[in-house]
Amino acid sequence: DADVTQTPRNRITKTGKRIMLECSQTKGHDRMYWYRQDPGLGLRLIYYSFDVKDINKGEISDGYSVSRQAQAKFSLSLESAIPNQTALYFCATSDFLGGANTGELFFGEGSRLTVL
Amino acid sequence: AQKITQTQPGMFVQEKEAVTLDCTYDTSDPSYGLFWYKQPSSGEMIFLIYQGSYDQQNATEGRYSLNFQKARKSANLVISASQLGDSAMYFCAMREGGSGYSTLTFGKGTMLLVSP
Repeated sequence: DADVTQTPRNRITKTGKRIMLECSQTKGHDRMYWYRQDPGLGLRLIYYSFDVKDINKGEISDGYSVSRQAQAKFSLSLESAIPNQTALYFCATSDFLGGANTGELFFGEGSRLTVL
Repeated sequence: AQKITQTQPGMFVQEKEAVTLDCTYDTSDPSYGLFWYKQPSSGEMIFLIYQGSYDQQNATEGRYSLNFQKARKSANLVISASQLGDSAMYFCAMREGGSGYSTLTFGKGTMLLVSP
């Protein structure tokens, strides 16, 4: 099983619908992230959480919300989906920075969302 | 200003040749880390190599090496002896700061195609 699991892997929905993307991890990391990938734009940070009680907005948080239900779970919600939220979404985790830890991100397999 | 700039949208290389993928970065923090990730057509993000700003030697991992030129703020990825399986999108990313409370910023990526 993957260390960072995203569900669903693919989702097609309609404008105005509420969508939740879920992420769970078995790496034991405190830090979790949601990124969005669009062609030609690379990966952009939506939200991140350094521990269970911490939630921070990233570069492109408008239209999104998150919930950190536990150390291992971090969900991304689109309250009212719109077509320009069509993208590939990645959840990632990282360990604390220090010692041999570089702050490397460990990614889930991605969730492809299409909003019609 | 962009934190990470990848100026090559696409690169072509023949199998068994070496290829350099460019990455320049912008930061005023003396402590930072630079990462390269590979994304094959299947979509997953694969960590390749890391370079810390205080590392004296250029990082190497098998056929991957990072040509780190601190004064020029460049962190180019060199792939030696290209293989067909190297065809993928490649992302450069940076972590600013050494406190541990920072996130990775990604470039827009370079698509590498390796031909037989």
